[in-house]
Amino acid sequence: GAVVSQHPSRVICKSGTSVKIECRSLDFQATTMFWYRQFPKQSLMLMATSNEGSKATYEQGVEKDKFLINHASLTLSTLTVTSAHPEDSSFYICSARQYKMNTEAFFGQGTRLTVV
Amino acid sequence: GDSVTQMEGPVTLSEEAFLTINCTYTATGYPSLFWYVQYPGEGLQLLLKATKADDKGSNKGFEATYRKETTSFHLEKGSVQVSDSAVYFCALSAQTGANNLFFGTGTRLTVIP
Repeated sequence: GAVVSQHPSRVICKSGTSVKIECRSLDFQATTMFWYRQFPKQSLMLMATSNEGSKATYEQGVEKDKFLINHASLTLSTLTVTSAHPEDSSFYICSARQYKMNTEAFFGQGTRLTVV
Repeated sequence: GDSVTQMEGPVTLSEEAFLTINCTYTATGYPSLFWYVQYPGEGLQLLLKATKADDKGSNKGFEATYRKETTSFHLEKGSVQVSDSAVYFCALSAQTGANNLFFGTGTRLTVIP
């Protein structure tokens, strides 16, 4: 199947700094990418949907100024957690859907963010 | 709203044991239902899916039947292997395809020799 690579897999940062997470579709073009987060013992929650070349659509309750999403090409989307705080510590995972195909989405490996 | 309730883990089984991971859902209309699996160090992979009532999804010896009357999509396997150790996620989508997936909390399965 198609491969989505997410980087880094783990990151520890200091409170107040920003962290960028990359999501790449390695062998297909993805017009749509999704970003999820998961708190311990809770479900994966959709944060935002990004379409190549346009602004991301954020789910209710997700701060767009805090979680900056860029989807500048058909193979790369980035999530930047700005001015991170300990409560942002979570598991972030992306998924990507193939261009022009209403098929399943493929997931990255996820990023474990710890803010200290 | 749409939601998925999944059996909490962790689950530890001996090799060749029978596996059931319960999943129930709440949704309006007729959602599609999925099981995803995440092996250590890897991304989520689609394991199986069902798009309408009474459909049975199956893959790698795993099965799940879409039961509208009980709003359930329980995952089963008759004989687990060590290589099945992973985290399993139940999910639903309100339309065919994988947009706007709603996930359960995930169940960690460990199979011991």
